[in-house]
Amino acid sequence: QVQLQESGPGLVKPSQTLSLTCTVSGGSMTSGTYSWTWIRQPAGKRLEWIGHIFSSESPNYNASLESRVTISVDTSKNQFSLRLRSVTAADTAVYYCARGYSSGQLRLSFFDYWGQGALVTVSS
Amino acid sequence: SSELTQDPAVSVALGQTVRITCQGDSLRNFYASWYQQKPGQAPILVIYGKNTRPSGIPDRFSGSSSGNTASLTITGAQAEDEADYYCHSRDRSATHRVVFGGGTKLTVL
Repeated sequence: QVQLQESGPGLVKPSQTLSLTCTVSGGSMTSGTYSWTWIRQPAGKRLEWIGHIFSSESPNYNASLESRVTISVDTSKNQFSLRLRSVTAADTAVYYCARGYSSGQLRLSFFDYWGQGALVTVSS
Repeated sequence: SSELTQDPAVSVALGQTVRITCQGDSLRNFYASWYQQKPGQAPILVIYGKNTRPSGIPDRFSGSSSGNTASLTITGAQAEDEADYYCHSRDRSATHRVVFGGGTKLTVL
């Protein structure tokens, strides 16, 4: 059973960098089949895809966040990470890491395993 | 990027059938996947692809699609099905980028 767990500071000051790590257990990250994804959800709002990375490809990012975000992977530690720079109060949200699968041939995409979520508050 | 539109709220009487819809241009090319989210919990995948349920999801959940609209149907809704439901698909305009719908709050009466 694959499990994901987010970790990192729950409070970040405005203009600083939000950093979160997702640790994956119960499965290997080296397969190129799956994407390793960050998704966030402000209180009472919709899920927002931040971006993802495959173990052997460059990351893809939400265009609205692309200038501030970096996602990286360390397969030796079975972890992937999120860095979001120059944060404001609008970045306050629950941040989820998830495993994704996508196939253009099969015309489908889904996230089958999720972490429990990490609340990050941006405040001075 | 494309967008996915859902009705904000839907209600259903206990034991009845309810359909939750999701509209968007990307759905002409990609199937939607559907997630159930209860308060304070992470989303759970309930339907993906043409109409596939992950292991452990009750068979009262089913999916369908036509044109730019995807639907999640719950046949014989139970009290425990009360939750927010989100659709998701790949973005039609970019490789591997994805979009989520705004979510539908399902109330079971």
